[in-house]
This record gives sequence, C-alpha cells and structure tokens, in this order.
Amino acid sequence: KNQVEQSPQSLIILEGKNCTLQCNYTVSPFSNLRWYKQDTGRGPVSLTIMTFSENTKSNGRYTATLDADTKQSSLHITASQLSDSASYICVVSAYTGTASKLTFGTGTRLQVTL
Amino acid sequence: GAVVSQHPSWVICKSGTSVKIECRSLDFQATTMFWYRQFPKQSLMLMATSNEGSKATYEQGVEKDKFLINHASLTLSTLTVTSAHPEDSSFYICSARPVKRSNSYNEQFFGPGTRLTVL
Repeated sequence: KNQVEQSPQSLIILEGKNCTLQCNYTVSPFSNLRWYKQDTGRGPVSLTIMTFSENTKSNGRYTATLDADTKQSSLHITASQLSDSASYICVVSAYTGTASKLTFGTGTRLQVTL
Repeated sequence: GAVVSQHPSWVICKSGTSVKIECRSLDFQATTMFWYRQFPKQSLMLMATSNEGSKATYEQGVEKDKFLINHASLTLSTLTVTSAHPEDSSFYICSARPVKRSNSYNEQFFGPGTRLTVL
C-alpha cells in the first residue's frame, strides 16, 4: 500500500529561524514528489516538484531535497516569516504508464511566532 | 498562469438539500479534473477523477449517486452533493491537470476550496 508519512505533525518556531520538515514514502512506481503549502481554509499551493533524478530544488526560501534510494524528502525553510504559518503537505505521485495517482501525507502544521 | 477557481467559496445548506460546487480552470484547458474532500486536521482524500466528456471515476467508498460530477467542458467541472447531510460537511477541493506537452510532471493545480456546512 502506498503511504506518505510526515514529521513532525506540528512545529512552532520563532520568526527568522530555520526549520526542516521530513517526508518518508513508500510509493511505487515513483514518478515525482511534491511539496505543497496549504493555508488554513485554502487549497494547496505547489512549492516544489522533483523527479527521480532531481535531489534538490529551491523556490525562494524553500529548499526541498529528495533521496530516492532511502525514499526520503525534506523541506527546509530559511529565515521563516509569519506568513509561513501553514500546513506543508508532501505528495508523491505514482505513474503506472496509463494514469498517475497522488498519495498525500497528513502534513506538518507550522506556526511561526514573534 | 494555471489558476483554478471554485464557486462558491463557502455554503451553508439545510439537511436534505442539494448543493452544486463549480471548479473552473481560468487560463488553461484541463481534460482531467479531480475532486477531493478534506476533514479538519486531515489530508486531502481523492473522491473522484473527472474526465471531460465522459463519466467520472469514483474512489472506493464514494457514492456516485450522492456526489454527482459533470465535466462538460475543458474548463469546467461541477460537483453536486445531493440530499446533503451534516456528515457531508467538509472542505471540498478540486484540482485540474493542464493539457500541454510541457506538463511532464503531470502537475495538478488546486482550487481554493469550498467549505460546505450542512445544518
């Protein structure tokens, strides 16, 4: 069964600090891994997408890494801002050749405080 | 680019009534749209895959007669919750997959969601 596990479940950090969110997955056949930011009451917004051959990708203060061998990914947020407070969801896509299917993690709820 | 809208953004209805939610891709065409449901503090759960011009494919456990999906054009899919009950109260999110050669990631773009409350 395809699964995506994220840790921690929740995190509180001070504004300006860095943090790293973790994602472990067992999804096959692997196509790509995505990180989304979801503000409360809003739809997910894509941060990064990585395929098997990509091991790091940045989007501003967000940097995602992927280790396809260990099936782990991380999302590093640098110099956090209050607006970073949201849920961060790791999503892994499996592609069977005819259709792709997404497996969602349960997310990490990040709160950035003063 | 790649903007998906949903309407309404929130709706409150009485038990037993039907509610229609629209999902539109504003600046791209999408042969495939997806409908998700999200309960508080939980992740998105795929309900159905909607293909333009054909019947939707429902995930196991999702009642197709209760959640009617129509994908009449390349930019519009609708989800109708029929005979809504309080347990149907949830956050409904759609996504759309662009039809273009450059979409090598098979990326989906999500709408802002619709909050449904059934009294």
